[in-house]
Amino acid sequence: GAVVSQHPSWVICKSGTSVKIECRSLDFQATTMFWYRQFPKQSLMLMATSNEGSKATYEQGVEKDKFLINHASLTLSTLTVTSAHPEDSSFYICSAPPAGEIYEQYFGPGTRLTVT
Amino acid sequence: AQTVTQSQPEMSVQEAETVTLSCTYDTSESNYYLFWYKQPPSRQMILVIRQEAYKQQNATENRFSVNFQKAAKSFSLKISDSQLGDTAMYFCAFMKHGTSGSRLTFGEGTQLTVNP
Repeated sequence: GAVVSQHPSWVICKSGTSVKIECRSLDFQATTMFWYRQFPKQSLMLMATSNEGSKATYEQGVEKDKFLINHASLTLSTLTVTSAHPEDSSFYICSAPPAGEIYEQYFGPGTRLTVT
Repeated sequence: AQTVTQSQPEMSVQEAETVTLSCTYDTSESNYYLFWYKQPPSRQMILVIRQEAYKQQNATENRFSVNFQKAAKSFSLKISDSQLGDTAMYFCAFMKHGTSGSRLTFGEGTQLTVNP
């Protein structure tokens, strides 16, 4: 099956700094990518939909100025957590449906963010 | 808006036995897809099985099968001959039928433990 990678897999940053997480589709193109947040023992909560070449669509309650999303190419989307605080510590997962596929989606392995 | 409900936060089963995980959903859509995903301790999301709503026949994948009751909006997962490697969090998910890149709506998850 298709592969989605995320980098880094684990990052620790200090409160007030920014951190960037990359999501790459390695062997297919994706015009759309999804960013989820998952707290321990909880479900995946959709944060935003990343659209190649246009602005991301954010879910209600997600601060677009805090979670900056850029989908600059058909294989790369980035999520930047700006001015991170300890409450932003979480597991961030991206998924990507191959362009033209109706229901297939491939998930990245996730990024664990710890803000100290 | 769609909602997905998993009423069993935790379940356990003995190795080699059969277990059924429950899922109900609510939607006004007539055409959609339903999924079961597995998230083992590595936290990588893995597709277990998919069901197209327009198909009456229940999907099966080796030891995994579903009981899809469209009128009741129920979509349970049966795991036969449970194996230790089946220990994971299982998420039921809904996707509207549409163009490429439709979002997934997840249930709360069921933590399944397979005991030796």
